[in-house]
Amino acid sequence: NAGVTQTPKFRVLKTGQSMTLLCAQDMNHEYMYWYRQDPGMGLRLIHYSVGEGTTAKGEVPDGYNVSRLKKQNFLLGLESAAPSQTSVYFCASSPAGTGGDSPLHFGNGTRLTVT
Amino acid sequence: GQQVMQIPQYQHVQEGEDFTTYCNSSTTLSNIQWYKQRPGGHPVFLIQLVKSGEVKKQKRLTFQFGEAKKNSSLHITATQTTDVGTYFCAGPGGGTSYGKLTFGQGTILTVHP
Repeated sequence: NAGVTQTPKFRVLKTGQSMTLLCAQDMNHEYMYWYRQDPGMGLRLIHYSVGEGTTAKGEVPDGYNVSRLKKQNFLLGLESAAPSQTSVYFCASSPAGTGGDSPLHFGNGTRLTVT
Repeated sequence: GQQVMQIPQYQHVQEGEDFTTYCNSSTTLSNIQWYKQRPGGHPVFLIQLVKSGEVKKQKRLTFQFGEAKKNSSLHITATQTTDVGTYFCAGPGGGTSYGKLTFGQGTILTVHP
């Protein structure tokens, strides 16, 4: 049972380039999340999804887009990368509950550097 | 919007000393969750508290949920080097933020042997 798998693990981009981070979960979870982690800032929610075909904005959505075409996958896109997007990105998933009350299962993270 | 604040940001202790981190929410929470992240790792779920005034223990870790369900604490008795890491609390958004989970900034714990 792989749990939550993120690809790639590391990536270096130049300013203005685009990329997509892939998150896949095999636990049949309804909810999926993308967080970014920066020193001293904790985990900040970028976008999340409460089901296939649905997405919602989190605390820091600007500069990112997401898609949840399949229940098991949640994609995070950067259309034009900026140095401020240098961060560690974590994907997480959880079973459906009564709204954010189920434990999150995290992937191992993607370390992105934008130069 | 909802804010979850955690203090202290850093805590350095000698092995064997106790440690406490505090979490405060700007809104009443239906539940609060705690996570631990080891250096270089990903956050791992520790526990969830649901009831007002609830206290739960996991070996040397004691978790409390405030009576007003707006604050929580994690206390570690007699820290060990294996306790090193960042401890996060997290609370659900609720209402129009259905499914959203907001994390505190975390407390980074260093344990000196």
